[in-house]
Amino acid sequence: GENVEQHPSTLSVQEGDSAVIKCTYSDSASNYFPWYKQELGKGPQLIIDIRSNVGEKKDQRIAVTLNKTAKHFSLHITETQPEDSAVYFCAASSNYQLIWGAGTKLIIKP
Amino acid sequence: KAGVTQTPRYLIKTRGQQVTLSCSPISGHRSVSWYQQTPGQGLQFLFEYFSETQRNKGNFPGRFSGRQFSNSRSEMNVSTLELGDSALYLCASLRTSGSLNEQFFGPGTRLTVL
Repeated sequence: GENVEQHPSTLSVQEGDSAVIKCTYSDSASNYFPWYKQELGKGPQLIIDIRSNVGEKKDQRIAVTLNKTAKHFSLHITETQPEDSAVYFCAASSNYQLIWGAGTKLIIKP
Repeated sequence: KAGVTQTPRYLIKTRGQQVTLSCSPISGHRSVSWYQQTPGQGLQFLFEYFSETQRNKGNFPGRFSGRQFSNSRSEMNVSTLELGDSALYLCASLRTSGSLNEQFFGPGTRLTVL
């Protein structure tokens, strides 16, 4: 079955710098890769997603890239701000099921 | 559109008791998934319901059960509660788009077992 690995588990960056979170997946049939942001005390919120027929997608300060050959995808956040502090989860979808990464705690240092 | 609602938001129970959690998906969505999230852990899949039928199930003991009603509202039940069941229980409302499901989460129910 599908397995998703996410790195790093914790990422600390200076405010204004960029942050990159990486995920790898094992099932080559996976065709949908969403990213979620979870703030303290809240449920995960979908922030961006990418489908397997696209290599890159951008939405303001966040972007996601997908390398199907290498089976990895990444979340890029530029010009980080204090409100970006949260736990970020990646996931890969295969056969209607979402398989989740373990999460990355992003800390933005003032 | 209203989002996903989960009730109650917080719950305190003692070992051996049972608990029922409720989830109302986004209007028009016919499928929901339930997850357990413990501190430092990712999202552990419990089960998925579509049109009142359980479509997928995760690796949880039989103490965890669920159901879905004709109006798409879903409940999950945990019987004979254990300390380790303390967690945030999340419900996701699923929108099917082609061959994939987009998931939209509710705020969760925080269960504490004493």
